[in-house]
Amino acid sequence: DQQVKQNSPSLSVQEGRISILNCDYTNSMFDYFLWYKKYPAEGPTFLISISSIKDKNEDGRFTVFLNKSAKHLSLHIVPSQPGDSAVYFCAAYNYGQNFVFGPGTRLSVLP
Amino acid sequence: GAGVSQTPSNKVTEKGKYVELRCDPISGHTALYWYRQSLGQGPEFLIYFQGTGAADDSGLPNDRFFAVRPEGSVSTLKIQRTERGDSAVYLCASRGQTTDTQYFGPGTRLTVL
Repeated sequence: DQQVKQNSPSLSVQEGRISILNCDYTNSMFDYFLWYKKYPAEGPTFLISISSIKDKNEDGRFTVFLNKSAKHLSLHIVPSQPGDSAVYFCAAYNYGQNFVFGPGTRLSVLP
Repeated sequence: GAGVSQTPSNKVTEKGKYVELRCDPISGHTALYWYRQSLGQGPEFLIYFQGTGAADDSGLPNDRFFAVRPEGSVSTLKIQRTERGDSAVYLCASRGQTTDTQYFGPGTRLTVL
């Protein structure tokens, strides 16, 4: 049973437009959520996170929204740039336990 | 270096052989995680260390897999009698005491022929 789901395996967006990546989870006990970006042949790189007590966190072009009642979070990238093309993983964490990752969404930003 | 390092970056071995994968976490990070990532999937949790002890090893697939962290810093993931299905990228991550964020190493790509 997948506790963290990313139902879109891929997404293509025009440069300058908004990219929206979605993530759903099933375990209401998760305390913390993170987004990672991964380029080929590299390890995942931390991007942005949000605590379960918040509903929004913003860092430059990246904003994460959390809807606890819907068990849904999303990552918004505005404006999208070609260098944002990568695989994005959503991860969830329960304090003192391990992290659970989604299967990833491949974002392609077209020039 | 400032980041998590993993060696080797690539390992090719034959079915039935023994392999060791090494992870050097960020200095001072007490928590260390091992993950396995297959093509098209997210990182799959294997084991989590807090200091020298394994706090959670529920992700290890079977008793051919074992990991140690004897001094609370460097960790070694050991795989005995490797099988072709063990082929994957093995990722290590570490986390400090005052943060909930993990930082990943570049991974070791293991290929079992």
